[in-house]
Amino acid sequence: GIQVEQSPPDLILQEGANSTLRCNFSDSVNNLQWFHQNPWGQLINLFYIPSGTKQNGRLSATTVATERYSLLYISSSQTTDSGVYFCAGGNTGTASKLTFGTGTRLQVTL
Amino acid sequence: EPEVTQTPSHQVTQMGQEVILRCVPISNHLYFYWYRQILGQKVEFLVSFYNNEISEKSEIFDDQFSVERPDGSNFTLKIRSTKLEDSAMYFCASSEVRGTGYTFGSGTRLTVV
Repeated sequence: GIQVEQSPPDLILQEGANSTLRCNFSDSVNNLQWFHQNPWGQLINLFYIPSGTKQNGRLSATTVATERYSLLYISSSQTTDSGVYFCAGGNTGTASKLTFGTGTRLQVTL
Repeated sequence: EPEVTQTPSHQVTQMGQEVILRCVPISNHLYFYWYRQILGQKVEFLVSFYNNEISEKSEIFDDQFSVERPDGSNFTLKIRSTKLEDSAMYFCASSEVRGTGYTFGSGTRLTVV
C-alpha cells in the first residue's frame, strides 16, 4: 500500500512565525487531503489538493503530483494553530481509502 | 457548511460488551467510511461502504466489527465484544465521490475498561 511520510515530526514556533510542513508519498495519489487535529481530537479538513496550489487565509498548500509530495504553509502562526497536522492520500484507481501520515505536531507559543 | 455528525462523543464500556457508534453522513454523499485513531498514533482505515455493502476493509476490521446503514440517514459501526485494545477515537467520514473530498465527523472516543 501507499506509504506516507511527514516532516518534521515536531515543530515549535513563536507566534507570528511562518512554517512549511511536508508530506511525501511512496506512490502516486489522485486524492490528497490535509487535516488539522485540534487539542480536542477533532479532525478538521484543511485542503483537498490532489494537485496545484490552494490558499485559505493564512494557510496554503501545494501538491506536486509528479514528484509525489505536498507542502502545507502556515503564515503568521497563532496559538490556535497548535495541534497535529496530518496529510492523507489515496489512489481511487486502486482503493477508496485514505492512508494517513504520522503527523506533524505543532506548538505555537507566545 | 454540511457536517458529518457522530454520537456519542464519548463512550465508556466494559470489556466484552457490545457497542454501537452512530454517524449521520452528509445527505447527498454516497460513500461512507470508518477510521480509528489509537491515542497518540496515526489515523487508520477500517472500512468503506457504498450501495449498502462493504466495498473495502482493512485487517483491523475483523469479525468483531460490522457496519450497517439501517435507514436513509444513519451509518453505524458495531463492535460485538469489545476488547481493551479497541479503545480509540473512531471517526466516521463521507464523500460524494469515491475516495475524494472526505468530510470527517468529530469522532467518538471509546474507552473500554
